[in-house]
Amino acid sequence: DTGVSQNPRHKITKRGQNVTFRCDPISEHNRLYWYRQTLGQGPEFLTYFQNEAQLEKSRLLSDRFSAERPKGSFSTLEIQRTEQGDSAMYLCASSFFRDRGLEFFGPGTRLTVL
Amino acid sequence: RKEVEQDPGPFNVPEGATVAFNCTYSNSASQSFFWYRQDCRKEPKLLMSVYSSGNEDGRFTAQLNRASQYISLLIRDSKLSDSATYLCVVNIEWSFGSGTKLNVKP
Repeated sequence: DTGVSQNPRHKITKRGQNVTFRCDPISEHNRLYWYRQTLGQGPEFLTYFQNEAQLEKSRLLSDRFSAERPKGSFSTLEIQRTEQGDSAMYLCASSFFRDRGLEFFGPGTRLTVL
Repeated sequence: RKEVEQDPGPFNVPEGATVAFNCTYSNSASQSFFWYRQDCRKEPKLLMSVYSSGNEDGRFTAQLNRASQYISLLIRDSKLSDSATYLCVVNIEWSFGSGTKLNVKP
């Protein structure tokens, strides 16, 4: 296992299009997190799964955003009707123990909305 | 008010210097605290947890002050390779600070 992977690494899309990102966590990790990071800011929490259950969802996550983790393994994050303000790095992280910190982040998907 | 606040810096220090960053948090119920390091255009990497009694890992020392609601990170004998952005994390909804940029110069 080589760690958390994310695909695609880069995505350029036109405003109004839908995009979907994928995160493959470390296989034995039951917790999976999505974050968004813009330039000069720290990562902002979006949502959190424990196995297939979505347990927390940020108020920042508008109705255009949806995340799934159907079998408790990989997760997808979909953004519908993208806006220029959605341009950011989308980071995924996984862990086994919540209180030991998020040690394993994926490399991120950089989204550019034109 | 943001949940977690950090001085964005940059902190420009010479090699060998000692440098300290603070991070204040607003939720007194916070239980877990961490420091991360993030290099330019890379993902954050966990540097160390912050325990109530304080903890040290080589040149790095982390401390927690619950009364004043801040955590700190001290780096001794700075190396060029320490240049990065340092992010603090507070566990409630995993709130990250905006980061403090450190530039270590020869």
